[in-house]
Amino acid sequence: GNSVTQMEGPVTLSEEAFLTINCTYTATGYPSLFWYVQYPGEGLQLLLKATKADDKGSNKGFEATYRKETTSFHLEKGSVQVSDSAVYFCALVGNNRKLIWGLGTSLAVNP
Amino acid sequence: DAGVTQSPTHLIKTRGQQVTLRCSPKSGHDTVSWYQQALGQGPQFIFQYYEEEERQRGNFPDRFSGHQFPNYSSELNVNALLLGDSALYLCASSLDGGMTDTQYFGPGTRLTVL
Repeated sequence: GNSVTQMEGPVTLSEEAFLTINCTYTATGYPSLFWYVQYPGEGLQLLLKATKADDKGSNKGFEATYRKETTSFHLEKGSVQVSDSAVYFCALVGNNRKLIWGLGTSLAVNP
Repeated sequence: DAGVTQSPTHLIKTRGQQVTLRCSPKSGHDTVSWYQQALGQGPQFIFQYYEEEERQRGNFPDRFSGHQFPNYSSELNVNALLLGDSALYLCASSLDGGMTDTQYFGPGTRLTVL
């Protein structure tokens, strides 16, 4: 079945550091891929998405490129801020039209 | 424009009881999905409602049931509560029901089963 694997946290960075959170997936066909973010005490928010191979999703300085050859959708940001501290979830929708989630990666950014 | 709202915020029940959680979708949205998020885990899809019908369902027992009303709001009912049902229950709304459409999440209802 479809699945999402993302790197375990917690990830702790200093402000202005480069961020990468790895996400790989298993799915038949051509899934759509998502990154959601959950700030402390808040609900989930869509951060970015990509619906076909080689698409790049971007938002708030974050980027992720849909790589079909490596079945990956790694999240990157060039310079993180304290306000980026949150839990980040990678997710996909496959042929069965169900949203499948990774376990989440907690990010803490220190000033 | 109000986003997705859920009630109640927190709830404490005992084993064997029944619970009803409520969700109002974002204005203009017609589809509601429900998720269960255990502590430290990703959300697990329970089901999705569109046009007052359950359209998709995840791997949850029949103790979990739902309803969507003509105004698109929705309820999640859980019968015969188990300790393992303790979790954050998230509601998400979207337009036209496609799972690839952007889903907007509410803040969740924290259910504790004692």
